[in-house]
Amino acid sequence: IVMTPSPATLSVSPGETATLSCRATESISINLAWYQQKPGQAPRLLIYAASTRASGIPARFSGSGSGTEFTLTISSLQSEDFAVYYCQQYHNWPPLTFGGGTKVEIK
Amino acid sequence: EVRLVESGGGLVQPGRSLRLSCVASGFNFDDYVMHWVRQAPGKGLEWVSGISWHSGSVGYADSVKGRFTISRDNAKNSLYLQMNSLRAEDTAFYYCAKDFLHDSDGYSFIDSWGQGTLVTVSS
Repeated sequence: IVMTPSPATLSVSPGETATLSCRATESISINLAWYQQKPGQAPRLLIYAASTRASGIPARFSGSGSGTEFTLTISSLQSEDFAVYYCQQYHNWPPLTFGGGTKVEIK
Repeated sequence: EVRLVESGGGLVQPGRSLRLSCVASGFNFDDYVMHWVRQAPGKGLEWVSGISWHSGSVGYADSVKGRFTISRDNAKNSLYLQMNSLRAEDTAFYYCAKDFLHDSDGYSFIDSWGQGTLVTVSS
């Protein structure tokens, strides 16, 4: 299963909302996770089961979608939210597959 | 607190071998599926291999199948990746990663990551 993120880069001003998308080449139900990665750091789990926030993740991060289309929404962007975001499917494995990432940068 | 600490990375010539290790703490290691995920410098994430809690089920990415071997020693809370016939395209940070699922042979998402160890394959 191939995961395709869009856009590749998103320019957003602090305080605004960022909307990231991820598309799967076949239905993965809600077996999708989102991760955040900052430069020089390991990825961090944000969302699993398409819409469940991981422990300690602020409420401004929300996920939605099912089947082949998924969205990560980051409301009221904070300075610490500028990073690269990856989606990952775990419906059919192996392999686990990640999208190529969306970079959220400061506008 | 879950902690995963990788070691064993370094500079290696093409065609040679390297063994990565990961020591886990802060959770019942022998209950969980574990993975290796890699990231070439400046690139995205690529799942490399996974192993069930009892080592009875293993999986590999096509790009490493037949060259890499994953294993674990639950008595030592340790995960390993034996990498043979290394190629330039294997150059990456290698992350040890803990699956969310426990007492399962299945894979899901990764809820904890190590800091990674860099493997550079170059002559």
